[in-house]
Amino acid sequence: ILNVEQSPQSLHVQEGDSTNFTCSFPSSNFYALHWYRWETAKSPEALFVMTLNGDEKKKGRISATLNTKEGYSYLYIKGSQPEDSATYLCARDTDKLIFGTGTRLQVFP
Amino acid sequence: EAQVTQNPRYLITVTGKKLTVTCSQNMNHEYMSWYRQDPGLGLRQIYYSMNVEVTDKGDVPEGYKVSRKEKRNFPLILESPSPNQTSLYFCASSYNTATGGYTFGSGTRLTVV
Repeated sequence: ILNVEQSPQSLHVQEGDSTNFTCSFPSSNFYALHWYRWETAKSPEALFVMTLNGDEKKKGRISATLNTKEGYSYLYIKGSQPEDSATYLCARDTDKLIFGTGTRLQVFP
Repeated sequence: EAQVTQNPRYLITVTGKKLTVTCSQNMNHEYMSWYRQDPGLGLRQIYYSMNVEVTDKGDVPEGYKVSRKEKRNFPLILESPSPNQTSLYFCASSYNTATGGYTFGSGTRLTVV
């Protein structure tokens, strides 16, 4: 993998569903992996920064895991709510931060 | 309030007319960066700076200049804007990107006609 890739591109879920998305990245020269939440008409907001293989971070109903050896990270949202609707970006940190194109999540009531 | 302040929020200009987008942070962050956001392409880094007087090219630096004379300010300069620089621009800063994420400004929507 040469770039940061996120899947799926978009996701529609019902309120209460749990969901997860994937971020894949080159595993060489790895410093850190960032996750951001980006609501429409706002600026991206940092969710997690993870550095160590096996790292797990949690903030409320959102959690993330990191596998640096195989070059992937998962973001999980438990019991999705309409206010979780946003684009979720991951970014690989080397000497600069390279972003994926994001997963756009829409949660319907 | 800790923040990154970008100005202006919106700008319409003509091809070739030099412009500057200002960015200022009040968090004593060392790392600052400029990104542009285009549909389907995600956030692409234009320039970044790891400290005062230290700047480096990102992935799409052509047509842009930056300077970092003071820690708090990181202006983006378009010497001769062209229509392909029409985009949404974000400035961001961080104390240490390995431990803390970037704080983003509110964005500048630039249209070059």
